[in-house]
Amino acid sequence: DAGVIQSPRHEVTEMGQEVTLRCKPISGHDYLFWYRQTMMRGLELLIYFNNNVPIDDSGMPEDRFSAKMPNASFSTLKIQPSEPRDSAVYFCASRPTNYNEQFFGPGTRLTVL
Amino acid sequence: AQTVTQSQPEMSVQEAETVTLSCTYDTSENNYYLFWYKQPPSRQMILVIRQEAYKQQNATENRFSVNFQKAAKSFSLKISDSQLGDTAMYFCAFTFSGNTPLVFGKGTRLSVIA
Repeated sequence: DAGVIQSPRHEVTEMGQEVTLRCKPISGHDYLFWYRQTMMRGLELLIYFNNNVPIDDSGMPEDRFSAKMPNASFSTLKIQPSEPRDSAVYFCASRPTNYNEQFFGPGTRLTVL
Repeated sequence: AQTVTQSQPEMSVQEAETVTLSCTYDTSENNYYLFWYKQPPSRQMILVIRQEAYKQQNATENRFSVNFQKAAKSFSLKISDSQLGDTAMYFCAFTFSGNTPLVFGKGTRLSVIA
């Protein structure tokens, strides 16, 4: 198995632009998590899905952030419009039901100028 | 709310020596899981070791072992025979049983010195 796949690995954009981060979970994993890592706040949960349904989005910072999971093999995290304070590493992770270890993707480093 | 505290932002250790990273957590739950993740400069999150709260025996994975003190809500990581490749950020994390997300500590940056 290829593991959790994230794209792009690096993204540099200008303030005000739309950014879309992508994640492909491990096949058969029905939980998908989006985390954000910054120096100031560490690793924070943004949102997680179970069987493609959002379960908890209380970590999404504001309306500029949205996440979707249209099917079991694909999820997106969109920021519109982006701001410099959104600069961070965004991780996607997945795991199967009743197995507590999460498997992380390589992360997307986002820089908003 | 559950919290995880890592009180050592940075640590260093000489190659081949032993180092212990501290972690405390706060929860009222009885069934939960604890993890240590390693994040090298490549930024990939790598699971180092896990501990189930219902198990009294401390988990061990090669050079890595934990000291799990449930009553004290403490979960420290011991790295024996430190190697240069152990240089990384180390995160302590917690989750309940029942398919909930991980809660992370702020991390400890470990440098192994030759």
